[in-house]
Amino acid sequence: LAKTTQPISMDSYEGQEVNITCSHNNIATNDYITWYQQFPSQGPRFIIQGYKTKVTNEVASLFIPADRKSSTLSLPRVSLSDTAVYYCLVGPTHYGGSQGNLIFGKGTKLSVKP
Amino acid sequence: NAGVTQTPKFQVLKTGQSMTLQCAQDMNHEYMSWYRQDPGMGLRLIHYSVGAGITDQGEVPNGYNVSRSTTEDFPLRLLSAAPSQTSVYFCASSYTGASTDTQYFGPGTRLTVL
Repeated sequence: LAKTTQPISMDSYEGQEVNITCSHNNIATNDYITWYQQFPSQGPRFIIQGYKTKVTNEVASLFIPADRKSSTLSLPRVSLSDTAVYYCLVGPTHYGGSQGNLIFGKGTKLSVKP
Repeated sequence: NAGVTQTPKFQVLKTGQSMTLQCAQDMNHEYMSWYRQDPGMGLRLIHYSVGAGITDQGEVPNGYNVSRSTTEDFPLRLLSAAPSQTSVYFCASSYTGASTDTQYFGPGTRLTVL
């Protein structure tokens, strides 16, 4: 999997938009970008995945520039319940490369304050 | 459909004791894995399996054994527990283990080794 770099922590206030950027300079042509969210005392859960441009779902948006060397997870109007650790993973599909050995790293700890 | 289940939820061991952390999934997933999570360290991959009878090492395999005799179960064994193995352990599963497959995590086992 491509190596990723994320900020260790971020602070925000309720109602603000939060953008978490992940750097992946050595991303390969067939790699996708996937983000997970982990609430305290729970296992991580999938929130969004994309290959290029923009992807949006009911939880977040994912922005990927044309060179794909970074990606930004955007959380609109955060609330206290968005306090969590967010992980960025970069790797290929089953048909594009190796499987297993999924490295999550340290993620970004987002703290939302009232 | 229970998803990924882990037992026990909590466990206290003395140094040198052995135990097995249980993990089971009912989604017919080929890929299963074990992570440990320590404060400030994020998720670290211990072992993973891409199918019954196949296992491989992750980032931090020392002190842990695994086997995969069925698709559903992937137990993690500590042969001689050490205080350094005090951690929260998460089991995860997905269809193929590709980074694009959604990983489903269990609720975790909190292990304390005295």
